[in-house]
Amino acid sequence: SQQGEEDPQALSIQEGENATMNCSYKTSINNLQWYRQNSGRGLVHLILIRSNEREKHSGRLRVTLDTSKKSSSLLITASRAADTASYFCATDPGGSYIPTFGRGTSLIVHP
Amino acid sequence: DGGITQSPKYLFRKEGQNVTLSCEQNLNHDAMYWYRQDPGQGLRLIYYSQIVNDFQKGDIAEGYSVSREKKESFPLTVTSAQKNPTAFYLCASSIEGTTDTQYFGPGTRLTVL
Repeated sequence: SQQGEEDPQALSIQEGENATMNCSYKTSINNLQWYRQNSGRGLVHLILIRSNEREKHSGRLRVTLDTSKKSSSLLITASRAADTASYFCATDPGGSYIPTFGRGTSLIVHP
Repeated sequence: DGGITQSPKYLFRKEGQNVTLSCEQNLNHDAMYWYRQDPGQGLRLIYYSQIVNDFQKGDIAEGYSVSREKKESFPLTVTSAQKNPTAFYLCASSIEGTTDTQYFGPGTRLTVL
């Protein structure tokens, strides 16, 4: 089974709204990463948060990590149609340096 | 996708044929990976290599083979033993020995006719 599981599987919002997606995982980690994938393309790294960090920002992105709940959230503020993509979380279960990916959240932002 | 390339973008194969997918990187990364992506299943690890002339099986290695003769190159062969090879294949690289960023290629979509 996947180490990380994103929720919801699909999200549809209007341009300008905020989008929040969550990732839950099962075993301890050293870090958690979020990636974006446009349809039919490779993944692009968005942000990495380490297990001793609680929150990180990058532009319109805000990532939080709660290791006690084994969960992370990705917030995209003031979404744009160009944010339409799938978003994946990746963790390193048990300290393995091989990241394990979830199934992703499909985000559609309507103009 | 900068720094790591995959070819071809689309590949069609007849049943019973072996095909090789190319992956090249100029990032001077030691580690390289192959993933398979099917709809609704996320990415599954096929093989990975931490260093030249060494590679390890991932979660779904059956029916696939790889080589790592050069640091820059990590080709994947989909053999006729792979029963359901139609999928999107992604190659990635990263600095060896860390869990930092993976850099992905643009992918190859393989269709078995």
